[in-house]
Amino acid sequence: EPEVTQTPSHQVTQMGQEVILRCVPISNHLYFYWYRQILGQKVEFLVSFYNNEISEKSEIFDDQFSVERPDGSNFTLKIRSTKLEDSAMYFCASSDEAGAYEQYFGPGTRLTVT
Amino acid sequence: GESVGLHLPTLSVQEGDNSIINCAYSNSASDYFIWYKQESGKGPQFIIDIRSNMDKRQGQRVTVLLNKTVKHLSLQIAATQPGDSAVYFCAENRPGNTPLVFGKGTRLSVIA
Repeated sequence: EPEVTQTPSHQVTQMGQEVILRCVPISNHLYFYWYRQILGQKVEFLVSFYNNEISEKSEIFDDQFSVERPDGSNFTLKIRSTKLEDSAMYFCASSDEAGAYEQYFGPGTRLTVT
Repeated sequence: GESVGLHLPTLSVQEGDNSIINCAYSNSASDYFIWYKQESGKGPQFIIDIRSNMDKRQGQRVTVLLNKTVKHLSLQIAATQPGDSAVYFCAENRPGNTPLVFGKGTRLSVIA
């Protein structure tokens, strides 16, 4: 069964450093998302991406964040200068329909900022 | 404010019993709802969904009920198994291509 994959599974970085989180969405999906989940809290939307541009972003997704689809398979989230409060699980998701119907999530990347 | 929330943060059930996990939503315009299961250290796993033009949908051992009158969503798991132990989230999609809004989650513990 097709699945969303994410790398790395765990990333440790120092405050102020840049990180890139990588995702490979399901191959025939067209809509891509990043969410994050701070430990013990609910999943929060960051950004959605379609047709090589951002469709929507939350207020969490400030100028420190960017997304890119550098080729036909990868979807990346970059945090330019990490802060302690960026520590969280970051989930990539994809869907093949407009809107949020049937989003499939990857296993997540645990980001720890020290 | 608008929110998706859960009535019970934790639920313990005996193996073999049925489980019912509840969720309240506040936006009557929401038109699509999903239940996700999240095991420790993993991403949310799609379980079942329902659109607002339905009030019940069944899957394998799971049933989702939607009561639009009181803005309530529930997930029923039949013959609960130890492998069902996880955190369950409901999520809603509001019209206009908006992203999923997740509730806080309910932890289901199955007692063998």
